[in-house]
Amino acid sequence: AQKVTQAQTEISVVEKEDVTLDCVYETRDTTYYLFWYKQPPSGELVFLIRRNSFDEQNEISGRYSWNFQKSTSSFNFTITASQVVDSAVYFCALSEGGGGFKTIFGAGTRLFVKA
Amino acid sequence: DVKVTQSSRYLVKRTGEKVFLECVQDMDHENMFWYRQDPGLGLRLIYFSYDVKMKEKGDIPEGYSVSREKKERFSLILESASTNQTSMYLCASSTAASERVNEQFFGPGTRLTVL
Repeated sequence: AQKVTQAQTEISVVEKEDVTLDCVYETRDTTYYLFWYKQPPSGELVFLIRRNSFDEQNEISGRYSWNFQKSTSSFNFTITASQVVDSAVYFCALSEGGGGFKTIFGAGTRLFVKA
Repeated sequence: DVKVTQSSRYLVKRTGEKVFLECVQDMDHENMFWYRQDPGLGLRLIYFSYDVKMKEKGDIPEGYSVSREKKERFSLILESASTNQTSMYLCASSTAASERVNEQFFGPGTRLTVL
């Protein structure tokens, strides 16, 4: 069975601090996709990144970076120099490969960034 | 600007009422999804559709049905609303194109309260 665990329910940081959101997944598939989505207070989830299981290369996009490690089944997300606008709920998600459509979401981590 | 729209942001219904939640996407996406979001549980898939008139059960289909008569529209139906269906309902769509596989675009959500 597939499962996504985000152990951190809420994180609170002060602006300009770095923060890492943890994500651990379980799957028996050899081909799968991992995602991060952001849900700001407006409610609409926004896609941030997709990684397929064959690409363990870490990625950096501005202040955001992602660390994918198959050995520990983790796909962690780091925000560098956090800003108040980063305050949101962040979801990690896993979907099966091979043309499957189902995506399993973690419970989400609520990030508060204080000015 | 691509969009997924949902018919209502907030809805209040009484127990036993039939409830229709509408979702429309303008991206010509093949796949559409209905999720419910509850605190501590993340997003859970209710139903999805990969083509017009096609539907598949997700993880929690009980008490719900769906309709997809046109490619751009996916409706969620609560045949007889109950208080335990009070939740945030999110619609999403995705393309079948391989380069964007399983990347989902979300609507703003409908917060349904059943009294």
